[in-house]
Amino acid sequence: DQQVKQNSPSLSVQEGRISILNCDYTNSMFDYFLWYKKYPAEGPTFLISISSIKDKNEDGRFTVFLNKSAKHLSLHIVPSQPGDSAVYFCAARADGNEKLTFGTGTRLTIIP
Amino acid sequence: NAGVTQTPKFRVLKTGQSMTLLCAQDMNHEYMYWYRQDPGMGLRLIHYSVGEGTTAKGEVPDGYNVSRLKKQNFLLGLESAAPSQTSVYFCASSSRDRRARANQPQHFGDGTRLSIL
Repeated sequence: DQQVKQNSPSLSVQEGRISILNCDYTNSMFDYFLWYKKYPAEGPTFLISISSIKDKNEDGRFTVFLNKSAKHLSLHIVPSQPGDSAVYFCAARADGNEKLTFGTGTRLTIIP
Repeated sequence: NAGVTQTPKFRVLKTGQSMTLLCAQDMNHEYMYWYRQDPGMGLRLIHYSVGEGTTAKGEVPDGYNVSRLKKQNFLLGLESAAPSQTSVYFCASSSRDRRARANQPQHFGDGTRLSIL
């Protein structure tokens, strides 16, 4: 039972354009969501997060949107840069729970 | 600024052999985690620890054991390796923000690539 789903295994975007990565979840107990970025042969690194009390969180070129009624979140990267090429994982956590549930990842390729 | 360090980085084992993966963090984090990453599966939690001397099972604990004898170290053991345990293993750690009553984001090591023949 995949509680966090990233239905697009890969995405290609032209440099300078907007990249939109999507994530859906099924567990209504999740109240904190994170995006991680992973380069080959490295561990995931934290990118941005959002609490369920918000519907948007912005950090520089990165913005995460949360639609609780649809159980959907998205990561927007604008403008996209070649260094953004990586695998992006969506993760979710329930209140008071130390454990994260990860999606399967989306490989983003930025085309120069 | 080491963060989370995993040793070894690569290892090849034969079926039935045993080994221990070591994770060390220098950030004084309370929580530590072991994940495995397989193609098309994302990261799955094997075991985790909320403090020195404590461990708990994650999503896929079978075939693994862990120990947290010191706060900075979290060991993952395979007693009798099986081909199904071929994977990339990631260790992570995080701290507890007592004011926010929430865990901070997890910091990951660079992984151990383990192949079992």
